[in-house]
Amino acid sequence: EDQVTQSPEALRLQEGESSSLNCSYTVSGLRGLFWYRQDPGKGPEFLFTLYSAGEEKEKERLKATLTKKESFLHITAPKPEDSATYLCAVQSLTGGGNKLTFGTGTQLKVEL
Amino acid sequence: DAGITQSPRHKVTETGTPVTLRCHQTENHRYMYWYRQDPGHGLRLIHYSYGVKDTDKGEVSDGYSVSRSKTEDFLLTLESATSSQTSVYFCAIRASGTRDSSYNEQFFGPGTRLTVL
Repeated sequence: EDQVTQSPEALRLQEGESSSLNCSYTVSGLRGLFWYRQDPGKGPEFLFTLYSAGEEKEKERLKATLTKKESFLHITAPKPEDSATYLCAVQSLTGGGNKLTFGTGTQLKVEL
Repeated sequence: DAGITQSPRHKVTETGTPVTLRCHQTENHRYMYWYRQDPGHGLRLIHYSYGVKDTDKGEVSDGYSVSRSKTEDFLLTLESATSSQTSVYFCAIRASGTRDSSYNEQFFGPGTRLTVL
């Protein structure tokens, strides 16, 4: 059974204070690992897909990295508008339907 | 914006009543999904569809049924709603394209908040 564990559950940062969110996973063959951002009352918004260990993707202040057991979402010099819940999900090579298994998310709060 | 709308956006109903939630997409995507999101559980897959009249179960399918009679619409039905089905329901589509652009990513609708009293 595929499993995704995200840590920490919640994180409070000062504006400009860089940090990393962790996503640990177990999957029977990784097809892809996905990061999403979710604002309160809204649907998840797609950020990145990572396919193989060593891969990195960047978007503005966010950088996602992948190893064989975990992924990190690095946030550099965050701003208050980066406050949101960040979700990680994996897709297995086995099983049909391109299904995603999600973690429970990290709630990020960036303060002035 | 993946052109996904959900209706209704909010609904309050009573235990034992049937409820149908609608997901509508405008971009002819083949795969559509229904998830529920609850505190402490994250997003969990209920059912998905891989084409008109083609559907399959997810991990939390008990008490739910789905139908897809047109490419653009995917309906989720609670035959007899229970309080444990109080949740936020999200519809998603799977993007299609080359690996360098959109491949396997799922894009989500705005959600329906359902309360069963």
